Amino acid sequence: QSVLTQPPSASGTPGQRVTISCSGSSSNIGSNYVYWYQQLPGTAPKLLIYRNNQRPSGVPDRFSGSKSGTSASLAISGLRSEDEADYYCAAWDDSLSGHWVFGGGTKLTVL
Amino acid sequence: QVQLVQSGAEVKKPGASVKVSCKASGYTFTSYDINWVRQATGQGLEWMGWMNPNSGNTGYAQKFQGRVTMTRNTSISTAYMELSSLRSEDTAVYYCARYSSGWYTFDYWGQGTLVTVSS
Repeated sequence: QSVLTQPPSASGTPGQRVTISCSGSSSNIGSNYVYWYQQLPGTAPKLLIYRNNQRPSGVPDRFSGSKSGTSASLAISGLRSEDEADYYCAAWDDSLSGHWVFGGGTKLTVL
Repeated sequence: QVQLVQSGAEVKKPGASVKVSCKASGYTFTSYDINWVRQATGQGLEWMGWMNPNSGNTGYAQKFQGRVTMTRNTSISTAYMELSSLRSEDTAVYYCARYSSGWYTFDYWGQGTLVTVSS
């Protein structure tokens, strides 16, 4: 059971906008930054969004992140077939001397 | 360019230990913490702990306290993660990841090492 809660699946057609939610608590999302990772099949996770809504260079501006209270969201606009992947949210959790927590992951399918 | 290259797949028996290596290149090894994250097949990501390659200081997730040891060899820019008393539930892909103090998260990841625990 993951500390952060994500829907197990999401889907959309090419060109559509989809959002993936991530719910946490006051000890993680409520008091720390949220991060998003994209994991293509058989590969390591790749940083997609850092510090709630910042994109590393090379990440298209179709990807955006937001945070409100103890929840966060990843939005993907202009959906493309290559966006089909697993998406994970992450945050630092201040409990138990501090540790990183992740969501269970959302499998995005491009129909 | 920054690269983290991990050692190859391992098969271990229950009760044994495994040591996974992570060789860094393309940056100053001692300037960035290395974290370890694992992923069981078809499952999510699970953080195991961190190590500061400069000081050797470590911090482990409570779940792995007493079973995990993170070390480094600065002369060859390599970090190690050793997990002992292996059980079947430890079967997973183990990743090393560089921690960016500017972004406050993991910016580069190794390719992963599959550890299979089976009798």
